[in-house]
Amino acid sequence: DAGVIQSPRHEVTEMGQEVTLRCKPISGHDYLFWYRQTMMRGLELLIYFNNNVPIDDSGMPEDRFSAKMPNASFSTLKIQPSEPRDSAVYFCASTLGLRMGYTFGSGTRLTVV
Amino acid sequence: RKEVEQDPGPFNVPEGATVAFNCTYSNSASQSFFWYRQDCRKEPKLLMSVYSSGNEDGRFTAQLNRASQYISLLIRDSKLSDSATYLCVVNPGTASKLTFGTGTRLQVTL
Repeated sequence: DAGVIQSPRHEVTEMGQEVTLRCKPISGHDYLFWYRQTMMRGLELLIYFNNNVPIDDSGMPEDRFSAKMPNASFSTLKIQPSEPRDSAVYFCASTLGLRMGYTFGSGTRLTVV
Repeated sequence: RKEVEQDPGPFNVPEGATVAFNCTYSNSASQSFFWYRQDCRKEPKLLMSVYSSGNEDGRFTAQLNRASQYISLLIRDSKLSDSATYLCVVNPGTASKLTFGTGTRLQVTL
């Protein structure tokens, strides 16, 4: 299995631009999570899906952030418009059921200038 | 009180030393427990699950103390390659998402 695949690995964009991060979970996993990690706040859960349905988006910082999961093999996290404080590493993770550990993707390092 | 608390460290130990980390959790109904390892600029990776009876994987031993609500990770014969941040992870319930601690940084030196 290729694991959780995220793209792009690095993204540098100007303030105000739209940013789209992509994730392909492990085949067969029914949960998908989007996390953000910074030195100051550590690992923060933004949103998670079960069977493509958003379950909890209480961690999404504001309306500029949106996430979709149109099918079991693809999810996007969009930031529009982006701001410098959005600079962070964004991880996607997936799992089968909620009793197991998660498998993380390699992350997208976002820099907004 | 935080759901999961860890000493951020850093723990600086010489190669070959034994080092232990503790992690406390607040929800007594928590169901499952894990230790993750995160290398600098990399994703968190599952190191080991923590079982009620305790479990060992090579140089690594994980223990669970439900009465005192903490889990521990013991690393024997530390290697330079063990240098990383170790995240304590707790599942508060069967229908809940995992809660990640902020991590304990370990630096193994020559």
